Amino acid sequence: DTEVTQTPKHLVMGMTNKKSLKCEQHMGHRAMYWYKQKAKKPPELMFVYSYEKLSINESVPSRFSPECPNSSLLNLHLHALQPEDSALYLCASSAPRGYNEQFFGPGTRLTVL
Amino acid sequence: AQKVTQAQTEISVVEKEDVTLDCVYETRDTTYYLFWYKQPPSGELVFLIRRNSFDEQNEISGRYSWNFQKSTSSFNFTITASQVVDSAVYFCALRGGRGSTLGRLYFGRGTQLTVWP
Repeated sequence: DTEVTQTPKHLVMGMTNKKSLKCEQHMGHRAMYWYKQKAKKPPELMFVYSYEKLSINESVPSRFSPECPNSSLLNLHLHALQPEDSALYLCASSAPRGYNEQFFGPGTRLTVL
Repeated sequence: AQKVTQAQTEISVVEKEDVTLDCVYETRDTTYYLFWYKQPPSGELVFLIRRNSFDEQNEISGRYSWNFQKSTSSFNFTITASQVVDSAVYFCALRGGRGSTLGRLYFGRGTQLTVWP
């Protein structure tokens, strides 16, 4: 099973809302990632978790709050977002060693009104 | 510093034509890893290939082939006999081998390939 799942597929939220994005993998991977992708741009790394611990935070604003409850799950909590945060949010996982490829989920298309 | 350049922003071909997507990379790491991903309109990035810096063998998988040349820091991707289903954005990416950059993929800006019937 090489699948990474993400929910929801689409999300529309107001600037005062609180919402969460969810990501799940059952490949036994111990590294998980959040990326943000704007239209016609490459994905931008936001966070990396390795063995359920946050190992990279790419200076992401605090209105984005990641959480890794266990080795299979990754959440991204959203609060007080801005319209410019509208984007495709991609989750990925990999074996933690550097050479291993990352497997991506289908993404959540987020629109902030 | 790690950098990936995909100079071709958009390519259009007619079905059955061969097409090559260029990728040039920069790194000071002696060990590094190169990747190609496909992103169809649905949005999911699909892993295509990984190449390690110490393995310069070219690879063929069906209609896909990859040419890795360390001398020119290039990792080009060729689709033979293109099909409409190949239409997508293709990203080349680099991952360094040093611990400080472990886990971080450096993406090129992508090449939009459109295959017309």
